[in-house]
Amino acid sequence: DAKTTQPPSMDCAEGRAANLPCNHSTISGNEYVYWYRQIHSQGPQYIIHGLKNNETNEMASLIITEDRKSSTLILPHATLRDTAVYYCIVRVPNYGGSQGNLIFGKGTKLSVKP
Amino acid sequence: NAGVTQTPKFQVLKTGQSMTLQCAQDMNHEYMSWYRQDPGMGLRLIHYSVGAGITDQGEVPNGYNVSRSTTEDFPLRLLSAAPSQTSVYFCASRRSGSETQYFGPGTRLLVL
Repeated sequence: DAKTTQPPSMDCAEGRAANLPCNHSTISGNEYVYWYRQIHSQGPQYIIHGLKNNETNEMASLIITEDRKSSTLILPHATLRDTAVYYCIVRVPNYGGSQGNLIFGKGTKLSVKP
Repeated sequence: NAGVTQTPKFQVLKTGQSMTLQCAQDMNHEYMSWYRQDPGMGLRLIHYSVGAGITDQGEVPNGYNVSRSTTEDFPLRLLSAAPSQTSVYFCASRRSGSETQYFGPGTRLLVL
């Protein structure tokens, strides 16, 4: 079973920030939070990951609460091309074997509208 | 680099037929995996490999075989296709020590 809870769908206006929440109340101390997205009919794409500090890269920012029970992925200026299903995944880092693989839930379908 | 490539892009099979889904990567990644995705569902892990000659089962391995004779290739075999195996299949790879998985474009399989 996926260890995360995400809303099934969200809308966002083009040019605005998209804030995608994720609950992971049973996260363990050594588990990271990962975000992937899947644009229609394509393979999933890595976005960002973090342990407890906030992270930022060229695609997005990841805000993790102090108790680590929830996080938010922020797309600062959403475009129509950001319309996709966004997956929040928690797991231990890739120490090898099955721990290196991803368990996907159903994700959040983000629709960016003009 | 071509990244992760998958062939064919689309395939129709009859029940009981066999086929092999091909996956190749040119990034010298140690880890490779196969996932399937059914409508409205997330991806589910079928088999994975941590290096040439080493494979293991994932969440839904029944009906599928894999082998890893080279670092580059990780084929998925369906020995006797069933309608329940109608799905989109994704191959992925990643480098040891990296947190980023790279996915192929997918193979859409229809079993009649």
